[in-house]
Amino acid sequence: KAGVTQTPRYLIKTRGQQVTLSCSPISGHRSVSWYQQTPGQGLQFLFEYFSETQRNKGNFPGRFSGRQFSNSRSEMNVSTLELGDSALYLCASSWDRSTGELFFGEGSRLTVL
Amino acid sequence: GQQVMQIPQYQHVQEGEDFTTYCNSSTTLSNIQWYKQRPGGHPVFLIQLVKSGEVKKQKRLTFQFGEAKKNSSLHITATQTTDVGTYFCAGPLDDYKLSFGAGTTVTVRA
Repeated sequence: KAGVTQTPRYLIKTRGQQVTLSCSPISGHRSVSWYQQTPGQGLQFLFEYFSETQRNKGNFPGRFSGRQFSNSRSEMNVSTLELGDSALYLCASSWDRSTGELFFGEGSRLTVL
Repeated sequence: GQQVMQIPQYQHVQEGEDFTTYCNSSTTLSNIQWYKQRPGGHPVFLIQLVKSGEVKKQKRLTFQFGEAKKNSSLHITATQTTDVGTYFCAGPLDDYKLSFGAGTTVTVRA
């Protein structure tokens, strides 16, 4: 079966812009989690959605937001981009609980100039 | 705050040697998971341990969950170049959030 699909794979933005990243989970998976990965901070939890509801949120500023649609696809948005937002953004899906086995997408690599 | 810690951060290994990476949590975990991320890739699930004292093997990889369910280890024997990558442990610190350790990045000298 198809894996987790993230788009776009690469993007370059400038400070102050906003960005929207998309994630299509594995068919049948209802939980979608987002992580930010940077060399210095490792994998940092952003938020998790299940059935269109945000169940948990990490320690990120309000510029980071997300949502989930009825088909389980999820988007995350970062507004007013800062240089420090440059990172690999990973989406992970699971059947039910986001604390079970996670299936990661290949990520969206964001560079902020 | 609650967190999952992992050491060492880097492991340089001669091909054929063994090594171990360790993971510790500040709280008792319901389970511990291990993931591997190859250079330029994304994390891939390796295994989940649930029971106190549980030991699982996958070929040359041995995973262990501590008796108190607050620590775990990954031991790799006879390291090969295919073992290159970053190994992460992860534990659920609350119901809907999986907390990852900082990872151990493994390089192999042929």
